[in-house]
Amino acid sequence: GNSVTQMEGPVTLSEEAFLTINCTYTATGYPSLFWYVQYPGEGLQLLLKATKADDKGSNKGFEATYRKETTSFHLEKGSVQVSDSAVYFCALMGRRALTFGSGTRLQVQP
Amino acid sequence: DGGITQSPKYLFRKEGQNVTLSCEQNLNHDAMYWYRQDPGQGLRLIYYSQIVNDFQKGDIAEGYSVSREKKESFPLTVTSAQKNPTAFYLCASSIWTSGSYNEQFFGPGTRLTVL
Repeated sequence: GNSVTQMEGPVTLSEEAFLTINCTYTATGYPSLFWYVQYPGEGLQLLLKATKADDKGSNKGFEATYRKETTSFHLEKGSVQVSDSAVYFCALMGRRALTFGSGTRLQVQP
Repeated sequence: DGGITQSPKYLFRKEGQNVTLSCEQNLNHDAMYWYRQDPGQGLRLIYYSQIVNDFQKGDIAEGYSVSREKKESFPLTVTSAQKNPTAFYLCASSIWTSGSYNEQFFGPGTRLTVL
């Protein structure tokens, strides 16, 4: 079946540092891939997506590239802000619904 | 504004009680979903519905029930058979386009606590 593996957190960075959160997946075919962000006590918000191999999703300075060779969809940002502190979920669209990774908590210190 | 609403935001249940969580969307989306989130974990699929009057079990459906009588509404009942219901419950919806379901949009969640 489908599965998504994310790096364990928490990830603690200083403001303006470079961010990478690793995500790899196992799936049949080439599913659409997503990154969602969750702020404390809230639902999930779509951050970015990619629907086919080599697509790059981007939003609010975050980027991720769909790599079918390595079955990866790593999230990156060049300069994080305190307001980026949240939990980030990698997900893939299966036949029925989304399959999520376990989430990575990001803490950005001023 | 279009979106997904969930109510209540916080819900407390005594052991042995059934409780119903509300989910409404005005996005005209075809599919709706219920997920459960436990601390430090990802989301797990409880039930989903792709059309009115039809729904399917997800990975952890035991102890839960749903209905889909209207396109806009997908309530979730947590029954007394669910042994560990304390969790954060998230409702989502998505639209069918170009031969597949696209990204899901999420509501704000309901936090259920069993006393």
